[in-house]
Amino acid sequence: QSVLTQPPSVSAAPGQKVTVSCSGTYYNIVNNYVSWYQQFPGTAPKLLIYDNNKRPSGIPDRFSGSKSGTSATLGITGLQTGDEADYYCSTWDSSLNVVVFGGGTQLTVL
Amino acid sequence: QVQLQQWGAGLLKPSETLSLACEVFGGSFTAYYWSWIRQPPGKGLEWIGEISPTGSTNYNPSLKGRVTISIDISRNHFSLNLTSVTAADTAVYYCAKGRSRPDPWSQGTLVTVSS
Repeated sequence: QSVLTQPPSVSAAPGQKVTVSCSGTYYNIVNNYVSWYQQFPGTAPKLLIYDNNKRPSGIPDRFSGSKSGTSATLGITGLQTGDEADYYCSTWDSSLNVVVFGGGTQLTVL
Repeated sequence: QVQLQQWGAGLLKPSETLSLACEVFGGSFTAYYWSWIRQPPGKGLEWIGEISPTGSTNYNPSLKGRVTISIDISRNHFSLNLTSVTAADTAVYYCAKGRSRPDPWSQGTLVTVSS
């Protein structure tokens, strides 16, 4: 069982918007920056969002991140079939002193 | 642009020691923390631990003292040792740059523990 809770799957039609939630606690999400990763089958995760809402160079602005209280959210607009992947949230947990990940959310673009 | 390339044995028997190494190309090796993360087949990500350029380490308590991460500044590489492996340690193992937001990651190595 993951420290951060994500829905196992989300889906939406091409061109639409989807959000992926990540729920945690005071010791992780509230007090630390949240990152989001995208992972295609058989490949390493790739950083999509860091420091709650910043995008690394090369990540399109269709991807956004936000945080409020004990939850963080990844938003993807203008969905493309190429966005079908697993998405993971991550942050530091000040109580456990470890980096924690969500269980991952599989995105299907219908 | 930092790139990481890892190597190590991919098939182990129960009770053996997993040993992986990760070499870093590009960027400043001494400016960052370096991490190991693993992913069991079909499952999510688990942070294993990290090491600073000075050798200070922090491990996931869930690995119960079986893990050691070391660093060799002169060769721009860092290593992972995990002792007394069991089938539960079967996973793709990744090395990565950074601590709380590892990036980039290596290509990963599938390590299978089987008798």
